[in-house]
Amino acid sequence: NAGVTQTPKFQVLKTGQSMTLQCAQDMNHEYMSWYRQDPGMGLRLIHYSVGAGITDQGEVPNGYNVSRSTTEDFPLRLLSAAPSQTSVYFCASSRRDRAFGYTFGSGTRLTVV
Amino acid sequence: EDKVVQSPLSLVVHEGDTVTLNCSYEVTNFRSLLWYKQEKKAPTFLFMLTSSGIEKKSGRLSSILDKKELFSILNITATQTGDSAIYLCAHIQGAQKLVFGQGTRLTINP
Repeated sequence: NAGVTQTPKFQVLKTGQSMTLQCAQDMNHEYMSWYRQDPGMGLRLIHYSVGAGITDQGEVPNGYNVSRSTTEDFPLRLLSAAPSQTSVYFCASSRRDRAFGYTFGSGTRLTVV
Repeated sequence: EDKVVQSPLSLVVHEGDTVTLNCSYEVTNFRSLLWYKQEKKAPTFLFMLTSSGIEKKSGRLSSILDKKELFSILNITATQTGDSAIYLCAHIQGAQKLVFGQGTRLTINP
């Protein structure tokens, strides 16, 4: 049981480049979400999804796109990377009833130069 | 807008000490409060506290929720070096948004 799998673990981008952070879960969780973690600011919600085909914006959505074509996958796209997007990104998933909280992936450390 | 505030932001103690971490919240519609432990990578789930479950315990860790005063505490007794981590508190807002506090960095010295 892999849980929540994120790839890549590390990435360096140049300003203006685009890329996709991958997230996959094998627990048949309905809910999936993306967070970024910056020093002294905790985790902040970027986008979330309550099921396949349904996505919505979180607290800091600008510069990011998501889609949810299957229950298992929830990729995060950076459209045109900026240094302000340097951060650690976490994907999380949960059951609809959140009975066991949220399960987080191991994170992607992104640096934009 | 929902707000979660943790204190202290950083704490250093000796192995064997007991620590209390604080989490206060200002939310429009309380649902659940969650505690996570984050070591080097992903946050790992510790407890969920709800209106019907205001006290949780697991080994040396315990947590309570005070719905009247709008805060929660996480207690760790007989601390070990393996307890060194960032402890995160979060509120579930709306359908499934987690609103996190800044976290408390706990360091246990041998």
